[in-house]
Amino acid sequence: GIQVEQSPPDLILQEGANSTLRCNFSDSVNNLQWFHQNPWGQLINLFYIPSGTKQNGRLSATTVATERYSLLYISSSQTTDSGVYFCAVGNYGGATNKLIFGTGTLLAVQP
Amino acid sequence: DGGITQSPKYLFRKEGQNVTLSCEQNLNHDAMYWYRQDPGQGLRLIYYSQIVNDFQKGDIAEGYSVSREKKESFPLTVTSAQKNPTAFYLCASSGQIGTEAFFGQGTRLTVV
Repeated sequence: GIQVEQSPPDLILQEGANSTLRCNFSDSVNNLQWFHQNPWGQLINLFYIPSGTKQNGRLSATTVATERYSLLYISSSQTTDSGVYFCAVGNYGGATNKLIFGTGTLLAVQP
Repeated sequence: DGGITQSPKYLFRKEGQNVTLSCEQNLNHDAMYWYRQDPGQGLRLIYYSQIVNDFQKGDIAEGYSVSREKKESFPLTVTSAQKNPTAFYLCASSGQIGTEAFFGQGTRLTVV
């Protein structure tokens, strides 16, 4: 099945810094989502981005499906950005009819 | 408000007991999913359902059972056959399988 690798596994930032999180996947996908898991465990949808670029406030994401990776950019980080960021991919109608999660990037933003 | 509601938030089970976790959605979504998360790890798929009265096993279905009698509801039963049930359980739904998925707030199950 599809393998999903996220990097870095851990990241510590000072408030106001920018960061880039990466998601690599091993096969073609037609579904890719980025989530933020808050300290209470809830998964918050950030982007649904099987291809292309999207922006939402201080966050943006780019997926290059032909090269099998996606990037999540966080600019001017705030302490509320802390938590785990997950990338999840799927290839519906193909060999992998489900959403597969990476192991996440743990982000800590210090004041 | 539209969304996905899981209950209870916390659940304690004695060894040998079956327990059922509730998941209800009012988003009119066809597809629903159950995931399990262990500490420091990603989510693994237990079961999913594309439509009422149909469901498929995910990667770790052993020791779990589900039903999908109504579009809005997808309860998960953790049976006594599940050897290591202590985990965080998350339910999700999407308009159709493969479209954007949304998650509930989760149920934390502890075996005592």
